[in-house]
Amino acid sequence: AQSVTQLGSHVSVSEGALVLLRCNYSSSVPPYLFWYVQYPNQGLQLLLKYTSAATLVKGINGFEAEFKKSETSFHLTKPSAHMSDAAEYFCAVSDRNFNKFYFGSGTKLNVKP
Amino acid sequence: DAGVTQSPTHLIKTRGQQVTLRCSPKSGHDTVSWYQQALGQGPQFIFQYYEEEERQRGNFPDRFSGHQFPNYSSELNVNALLLGDSALYLCASSLAAREDFFGPGTRLTVL
Repeated sequence: AQSVTQLGSHVSVSEGALVLLRCNYSSSVPPYLFWYVQYPNQGLQLLLKYTSAATLVKGINGFEAEFKKSETSFHLTKPSAHMSDAAEYFCAVSDRNFNKFYFGSGTKLNVKP
Repeated sequence: DAGVTQSPTHLIKTRGQQVTLRCSPKSGHDTVSWYQQALGQGPQFIFQYYEEEERQRGNFPDRFSGHQFPNYSSELNVNALLLGDSALYLCASSLAAREDFFGPGTRLTVL
């Protein structure tokens, strides 16, 4: 069985500060991992994905995530937050056949001026 | 490319009624998945359609059913609506069941 845990339902950072959103997964087999962003009243947009190539994955809008098998983690980072990054972020896991995406409960990122 | 489109955007129903939601996949995509996103929660996988057949199903009752048409568009049907069915219903499409591209969703309110 697969599951995702996102630590911190709300994260607040100042504009220009480091963004760190945490995601830990549970999977009986090496998974594929994803980060999605959701702006208010919109669907989800794929930020980045890990599919067993490089463990450090770069995505859109300056975000990146590192797959750490020993820590079963896939934390999302961005060196410098922008006001436009304020949104809800979801970590998701699937098996290697892209079956049944399992999403975390989400982390709302607030960026203070 | 219009991306994934869903209709309607908002819907209000009463308990016990039936509802049909519609989804058109991104051009070139052949797989459609449906998700339920309750307020304050992450999306939960309902089912996935590929080649007009239900390929995968999440932990949802039989009141939730679907269909995929030859043009790859899809419908989600929910019978005997409950208050707890109020949620944002997201459709996602993919090519050969790879990562999902999501539509904007249909907001269903059950009164």
